[in-house]
Amino acid sequence: DIVMTQSPDSLAVSLGERATINCNSSQSVLYSSNNKNYLAWYQQKPGQPPKLLIYWASTRESGVPDRFSGSGSGTDFTLTISSLQAEDVAVYYCQQYYNTPHTFGPGTKVDIK
Amino acid sequence: QVQLQQSGPGLVKPSQTLSLTCAISGDSVSTKSVGWNWIRQSPSRGLEWLGRTYYRSKWYNDYAESVKSRITINPDTSKNQFSLQLNSVTPEDTAVYYCARGNGNLNYWGQGTLVTVSS
Repeated sequence: DIVMTQSPDSLAVSLGERATINCNSSQSVLYSSNNKNYLAWYQQKPGQPPKLLIYWASTRESGVPDRFSGSGSGTDFTLTISSLQAEDVAVYYCQQYYNTPHTFGPGTKVDIK
Repeated sequence: QVQLQQSGPGLVKPSQTLSLTCAISGDSVSTKSVGWNWIRQSPSRGLEWLGRTYYRSKWYNDYAESVKSRITINPDTSKNQFSLQLNSVTPEDTAVYYCARGNGNLNYWGQGTLVTVSS
């Protein structure tokens, strides 16, 4: 199985400041035939299911604010919230879908400083 | 707009079978190459993808090795839904179970069902 790790475990950022979350996969999730990274990011708030934010490592899901962006390739990826809003307090997960089982990272909790 | 509505018992006895159903609206379980997935979440295991079913001229299933001997995911085209059966449950199977639509990236989720395995 591909193991996903995330850092940090948690972070607190002031309103309007940048939040950066890192995700690493134990093997590359870049499929060479189509040059796509099989990596997604989700946001989960208490009592709710995860919500898809980003897929193909950097494509924003419809309706997701443009302050959310994804970058990276191969085994190292980043989710950036450019200007943290109060409603962004949540746990964020990365997930690879290159191979089954489609494994998730352990999550990063984002809070307001 | 796709909506997924989960149903099933919230309490299952050890050694018995966990059964959940996910009713689909706004899409069809038979839509080619769209995956219909089950995921669970617990404090000890985090988010864990369990498996999926999808149609591509015939029906296919993929299952996580961790549950492969105990799991069945079935489509029901007559009711436009799909189901999860997990046999021989133990307290370790206590979790919130989600159904979700997607081919890897999961863009629609059910509301979640807390299933507790206890006598």
